[in-house]
Amino acid sequence: ETGVTQTPRHLVMGMTNKKSLKCEQHLGHNAMYWYKQSAKKPLELMFVYNFKEQTENNSVPSRFSPECPNSSHLFLHLHTLQPEDSALYLCASSQVAGADTQYFGPGTRLTVL
Amino acid sequence: GENVEQHPSTLSVQEGDSAVIKCTYSDSASNYFPWYKQELGKGPQLIIDIRSNVGEKKDQRIAVTLNKTAKHFSLHITETQPEDSAVYFCAASLGGSQGNLIFGKGTKLSVKP
Repeated sequence: ETGVTQTPRHLVMGMTNKKSLKCEQHLGHNAMYWYKQSAKKPLELMFVYNFKEQTENNSVPSRFSPECPNSSHLFLHLHTLQPEDSALYLCASSQVAGADTQYFGPGTRLTVL
Repeated sequence: GENVEQHPSTLSVQEGDSAVIKCTYSDSASNYFPWYKQELGKGPQLIIDIRSNVGEKKDQRIAVTLNKTAKHFSLHITETQPEDSAVYFCAASLGGSQGNLIFGKGTKLSVKP
C-alpha cells in the first residue's frame, strides 16, 4: 500500500459507544495530523504529532483521544460522542510538522446517532 | 484568530474556459500557501504550492500567484476540463503555530462539457 490509508471508511456509532479510527502512512514521514471536515466549514486541525510527540491540541474536547505509537500509525479514540461530532475525519502526514506539504488519507465518514 | 477567506464558494465554467479562485489571509508571518483538490469520496490532494519568496508558480494548466503586500493569493486553471470539477481548498501556514495550516472554506468548481 502507498500513501495514507484510513480505516474504517464509514462508521456509525451511538453516543454511548467507544470506537477507534486508524491511520497509517507509508511515506516515511515524521509528522501526522487529525482534521475534522464538516459541511460548509473550513478543515479544522485537531491534533498534530511530530516524531511521535503531540505538539498541538487545538482545544479538542476530551471525548476525542489521540494515540501515536510510532511515526507510521495514528489513532483517534472516540467515546461518548455527540451528534454534532458527525463529520469526515481526515488524517494527514508530512515529512516534519510545520510549513511542509501534507498528504491526506481518504477520511472516515463518522455518523453519531 | 487568524483566518483564510476564499472566494467564490461555487464556480461554474464552460469546458475550455479559465477558472480563478482567490484567497486572502490575515497572518503576515504566513510563508507557505498550498492548494488542494478534493474529489467526491476522497481526501484532499495537493495540486500546487508556493512559498513567500516567489510571486508566481506554474505547472502545466495550473498556476498560483502570491501578493504578500496585499496578503492574497490566487489559483488559475486554464483550458478547464470536466475532470477538473471538484472542491478546491487554499491554505496558509500560521507563523506562530509551528507552521500549521489554516484552510479556506473551499470552492466547488463545476466544468460543463
